[in-house]
Amino acid sequence: QVQLKESGPGLVQPSQTLSLTCTVSGFSLTSNSVHWVRQPPGKGLEWMGGIWGDGSTDYNSALKSRLSISRDTSKSQVFLKMNSLQTDDTAIYFCTRGWALDYWGQGVMVTVSS
Amino acid sequence: DVVLTQTPVSLSVTLGDQASISCRSSQSLEYSDGYTYLEWYLQKPGQSPQLLIYGVSNRFSGVPDRFIGSGSGTDFTLKISRVEPEDLGVYYCFQATHDPPFTFGSGTKLEIK
Repeated sequence: QVQLKESGPGLVQPSQTLSLTCTVSGFSLTSNSVHWVRQPPGKGLEWMGGIWGDGSTDYNSALKSRLSISRDTSKSQVFLKMNSLQTDDTAIYFCTRGWALDYWGQGVMVTVSS
Repeated sequence: DVVLTQTPVSLSVTLGDQASISCRSSQSLEYSDGYTYLEWYLQKPGQSPQLLIYGVSNRFSGVPDRFIGSGSGTDFTLKISRVEPEDLGVYYCFQATHDPPFTFGSGTKLEIK
């Protein structure tokens, strides 16, 4: 069955770089896109960006200068890197599949704090 | 960027009654291929969002037929007939029609009276 699971550090210091991994199973990364969505505590959802089946990427323009999404198809993993983190980047980070965002990971809580 | 405006912000519904949520877009969501990339999600407390409706009116696998999506162009509606306790949570609309960024509505919180 389709599964996605996020992993990464729970705490990041301000100005540092966040690195998250989304490990998928039950589908191919070359046939499906994977997107990152985040949710600050008590707030709504924000689409961050995605990587398509052909390996091309799209980013939210508000984050584009700080964000990079890549993948390793041999390991069925998608990576998110975002630099210059600030406290308002504190959020739950989700990875999700396809343009319809049909399957979601459980999310990983990332706190930006010194 | 496309702005999706959801109303109401919250609603309180008696079990068994109908709930209706509106999602209005700042631009038409019909893509050049004729498809409309408008989806609805439910985020239950403490859980990840789950897809309910894709392409305006298509129920995702396992979604009860009490959930009905409709609309076109810039105006869309999610109706939940015969609300049940497990329907509580926050509902979001989402568009993937226009060039990124794709965008979510701000959410509608459904409470049970």
